[in-house]
Amino acid sequence: GAVVSQHPSWVICKSGTSVKIECRSLDFQATTMFWYRQFPKQSLMLMATSNEGSKATYEQGVEKDKFLINHASLTLSTLTVTSAHPEDSSFYICSAKFPQTSREQFFGPGTRLTVL
Amino acid sequence: AQSVTQLDSHVSVSEGTPVLLRCNYSSSYSPSLFWYVQHPNKGLQLLLKYTSAATLVKGINGFEAEFKKSETSFHLTKPSAHMSDAAEYFCVVSDPSGNTPLVFGKGTRLSVIA
Repeated sequence: GAVVSQHPSWVICKSGTSVKIECRSLDFQATTMFWYRQFPKQSLMLMATSNEGSKATYEQGVEKDKFLINHASLTLSTLTVTSAHPEDSSFYICSAKFPQTSREQFFGPGTRLTVL
Repeated sequence: AQSVTQLDSHVSVSEGTPVLLRCNYSSSYSPSLFWYVQHPNKGLQLLLKYTSAATLVKGINGFEAEFKKSETSFHLTKPSAHMSDAAEYFCVVSDPSGNTPLVFGKGTRLSVIA
């Protein structure tokens, strides 16, 4: 149990286009999901906390108009990178807590975004 | 505030020899501590966790870690390294409520030499 999936696993896009990444909890409901960004050979950096039915909470320094988060259902959160540029190229990972009161998070397999 | 320090950015061991990945933490509360493993271009997999029960925690794939409050440490060990253990390892701390974001260490890359 407690499986988190991401789609796509990798994406290549042109500069200026927008890219949507999906994060799904496959066998549980997640009122809260988390989006992380990871640069090569670095640790994970929390970008935002996605809350079902309400606005996401962004970490300091993360542009909310650049990284749009929508948590429309209890099993799906999406991250849209708008007007992507090469500096947005990174590995994006989502996670969810299960059960909701747990301190443990289950991570998706990640999405590799390359912006040309 | 909480913080995690992974003392080694890279550890290299020979196959069949013991593994020690060091982690020190700082927390105002009684923390929960986790070790996650990440293989290249993959997500994170939980190896083990400490949540105020037994201080010696056994995880998957033969790994274990001991919570030492007096030393504020949570080092990860394995008696005998396998080639498949080569990966990035993250030590992570959470506050007791789980309502604040996880705090990640910078990671330790484990290389296993045949």
